[in-house]
Amino acid sequence: GAVVSQHPSWVICKSGTSVKIECRSLDFQATTMFWYRQFPKQSLMLMATSNEGSKATYEQGVEKDKFLINHASLTLSTLTVTSAHPEDSSFYICSASLRYETYEQYFGPGTRLTVT
Amino acid sequence: GNSVTQMEGPVTLSEEAFLTINCTYTATGYPSLFWYVQYPGEGLQLLLKATKADDKGSNKGFEATYRKETTSFHLEKGSVQVSDSAVYFCARGPFNQGGKLIFGQGTELSVKP
Repeated sequence: GAVVSQHPSWVICKSGTSVKIECRSLDFQATTMFWYRQFPKQSLMLMATSNEGSKATYEQGVEKDKFLINHASLTLSTLTVTSAHPEDSSFYICSASLRYETYEQYFGPGTRLTVT
Repeated sequence: GNSVTQMEGPVTLSEEAFLTINCTYTATGYPSLFWYVQYPGEGLQLLLKATKADDKGSNKGFEATYRKETTSFHLEKGSVQVSDSAVYFCARGPFNQGGKLIFGQGTELSVKP
């Protein structure tokens, strides 16, 4: 149980376009989802915390107009990178907390974004 | 402050060697502690966890004991395999609902045959 999926697993887009990444909890309800960014050989950097039905809370230094997060249901959160640029190329990972067990997070497999 | 510090990598070992990856944390309370593993090109997988002092988490031959007195959660394995090659992240759990995990910087392990 507690499986989280991400789609797509990798995506290449042109500079200036937008790309949407989906994060789904497959077999549980997730009241909270988290979005991370990871650069090569580095740790995860938390971008934002997303609660179902409310606005995401962004970490300091993360542009909320650039990284749009929507958590429309208890099983789906989306991250949209708007007007992507090459410096947005990265590995994006989401995680989700169970509805009644919020001290543990279950991670998705990640999405590799390359902006050309 | 609230932080997690891991020993720097990369750590290179021969197969069947003993592994220790040190992890210490700072916190004002008694958070849950986690070890996650990341294989190349993949997301994070929970390896083991401990939710209170003196708890020992274990999985796949890996162990870590929650030491309150030394604020540590060192990862150990008695005999590593080539398939254990990955990056290992220590993390401190949140204190509140929906709170953040605090990650260490990660330690890359490379096991040679």
